[in-house]
Amino acid sequence: DGGITQSPKYLFRKEGQNVTLSCEQNLNHDAMYWYRQDPGQGLRLIYYSQIVNDFQKGDIAEGYSVSREKKESFPLTVTSAQKNPTAFYLCASRPEGQRRYGYTFGSGTRLTVV
Amino acid sequence: AQKVTQAQTEISVVEKEDVTLDCVYETRDTTYYLFWYKQPPSGELVFLIRRNSFDEQNEISGRYSWNFQKSTSSFNFTITASQVVDSAVYFCALSEAQAAGNKLTFGGGTRVLVKP
Repeated sequence: DGGITQSPKYLFRKEGQNVTLSCEQNLNHDAMYWYRQDPGQGLRLIYYSQIVNDFQKGDIAEGYSVSREKKESFPLTVTSAQKNPTAFYLCASRPEGQRRYGYTFGSGTRLTVV
Repeated sequence: AQKVTQAQTEISVVEKEDVTLDCVYETRDTTYYLFWYKQPPSGELVFLIRRNSFDEQNEISGRYSWNFQKSTSSFNFTITASQVVDSAVYFCALSEAQAAGNKLTFGGGTRVLVKP
């Protein structure tokens, strides 16, 4: 079955460390997105990519980096510059240019700074 | 100004009560799509329904129903005879042509708590 796989489900980071969250999809979707969700809050867009080797900053990109070397993969790195990284991170994908389709979401990664 | 507004941040009901979640949107597009997603405590967002701007028929799926009114730019969601399993955060979202990056625009979400 097609879908989006995020790993790990839970991640613990020490102060000053970079960590990378994985997002893989086998839906053949062109567009991929990373969102951050804080407790009791809505979704905030971090980065998105509409095509391989290209990506754009979202609303809260500072302290994060991404790459899009393959269509299937859109990893997110939370750098030490992100001062408050504890949050729930959701990856999503969508067929490019197909407005009638919504997002397909992964199951999320819960990141905690220890 | 927010493009998708979910004015209710949290709704608490007792099991078997009906609950209606409001969603008001803003767009200049004549063709657009609206979505509802459910986020249970596990975290993953689950797609519930899509509605395009040309179809104003209300839809019912089991205990769920949706009321789309273009005249008031609203796409409200009703859960009839709520159950504890309906406890979740519900997001309304808009898909429009002018959105950069082919992005959906989400409302802030409404947390529904159904008490036994």
